[in-house]
Amino acid sequence: ETGVTQTPRHLVMGMTNKKSLKCEQHLGHNAMYWYKQSAKKPLELMFVYNFKEQTENNSVPSRFSPECPNSSHLFLHLHTLQPEDSALYLCASSQRGRSYEQYFGPGTRLTVT
Amino acid sequence: DAKTTQPNSMESNEEEPVHLPCNHSTISGTDYIHWYRQLPSQGPEYVIHGLTSNVNNRMASLAIAEDRKSSTLILHRATLRDAAVYYCILGLRGGNEKLTFGTGTRLTIIP
Repeated sequence: ETGVTQTPRHLVMGMTNKKSLKCEQHLGHNAMYWYKQSAKKPLELMFVYNFKEQTENNSVPSRFSPECPNSSHLFLHLHTLQPEDSALYLCASSQRGRSYEQYFGPGTRLTVT
Repeated sequence: DAKTTQPNSMESNEEEPVHLPCNHSTISGTDYIHWYRQLPSQGPEYVIHGLTSNVNNRMASLAIAEDRKSSTLILHRATLRDAAVYYCILGLRGGNEKLTFGTGTRLTIIP
């Protein structure tokens, strides 16, 4: 595997479910990011991790819980989501100090029913 | 934060050059100009960045106006694979700042 991978690619979940999105980067980077892309809206940064430490939480509701166990893996744990949380969730990575050059995964298309 | 203005959409014929404009009249002296693109059903990908001088790489060229209030991303010979949304983004002086995406320009390539 090369680049940034995300699993699953598609996810349908009910409002009472708990699920997790996974991101893995094979680029040797040490910064990782979660973005949300809703229909007809710009990408919104959700979380930033540098060297496994969360350095940015962009006022994201607590029903989204990130986890970064090491520099290569990033998770987004989801629970009691709302239909308006349906979106494309994108993971990205970069070298710390070069956040202008981020490498994105293909995203997870999430539908909350 | 300095803002960018891009046309919502553009069309171009296949195998012809494409010039994608971006206005950034409130750019500060140390803001870099970055371009990303997002192909259908994919995450964004980094294209190019510059500060003052024009820049070239294997994907595109970036022409920056002398007063830096505007820039143009140039695809020298568009292919169908270049159909995407192109984002012009400012900032990231320190290298650890966040990317702020706008709505970009949706480029359609006509065969």
